[in-house]
Amino acid sequence: AQKVTQAQTEISVVEKEDVTLDCVYETRDTTYYLFWYKQPPSGELVFLIRRNSFDEQNEISGRYSWNFQKSTSSFNFTITASQVVDSAVYFCALSGSSNTGKLIFGQGTTLQVKP
Amino acid sequence: NAGVMQNPRHLVRRRGQEARLRCSPVKGHSHVYWYRQLPEEGLKFMVYLQKENIIDESGMPKERFSAEFPKEGPSILRIQQVVRGDSAAYFCASSPLGVSRGGPDTQYFGPGTRLTVL
Repeated sequence: AQKVTQAQTEISVVEKEDVTLDCVYETRDTTYYLFWYKQPPSGELVFLIRRNSFDEQNEISGRYSWNFQKSTSSFNFTITASQVVDSAVYFCALSGSSNTGKLIFGQGTTLQVKP
Repeated sequence: NAGVMQNPRHLVRRRGQEARLRCSPVKGHSHVYWYRQLPEEGLKFMVYLQKENIIDESGMPKERFSAEFPKEGPSILRIQQVVRGDSAAYFCASSPLGVSRGGPDTQYFGPGTRLTVL
């Protein structure tokens, strides 16, 4: 079975603080793909990143960075110098090679950035 | 350069009525996925369609729910005889390739349809 766990339900930080959102996954597939999506208050889902299981290099995109640790089955997401506009629900998702491309989502982490 | 379009954005139905949700994928995308987000929950996969074919419907409830993606026109998610438990946000996502040798393609989501059943 495939599963994604985002243990942090809600996180509240003050603007300019760094914040890390945790994501732990379970899969028996040797090849799999991990994703992060952002859901702002307006409700749509915005794609942030796609990472395959063979690429363990960390990735940085502006204030966003991702830490993929295969040994601990984690794919954590860090926002540096958070801003109020980062307030949203963030979803981690998994797609294994044994399925049809469907995404298995975590429960989501609600991030509130206060001014 | 339009993204995934869903309509209506909000839909109110009374118990027993039918709900039809439409999804127009990104131009050139022939793969569509439907997900449901119940209140305070994450998104759950429902069905994956390619033009004129249902590829994976493992997440669809066995009764009252159906989906299609005709050769022409949008994908439709149809819920017959709605019940209060169907109240949720329904998201459609599209991708150009679905699954290829490079793995599952990135899915781009629409804004969702929020269904309220009275």
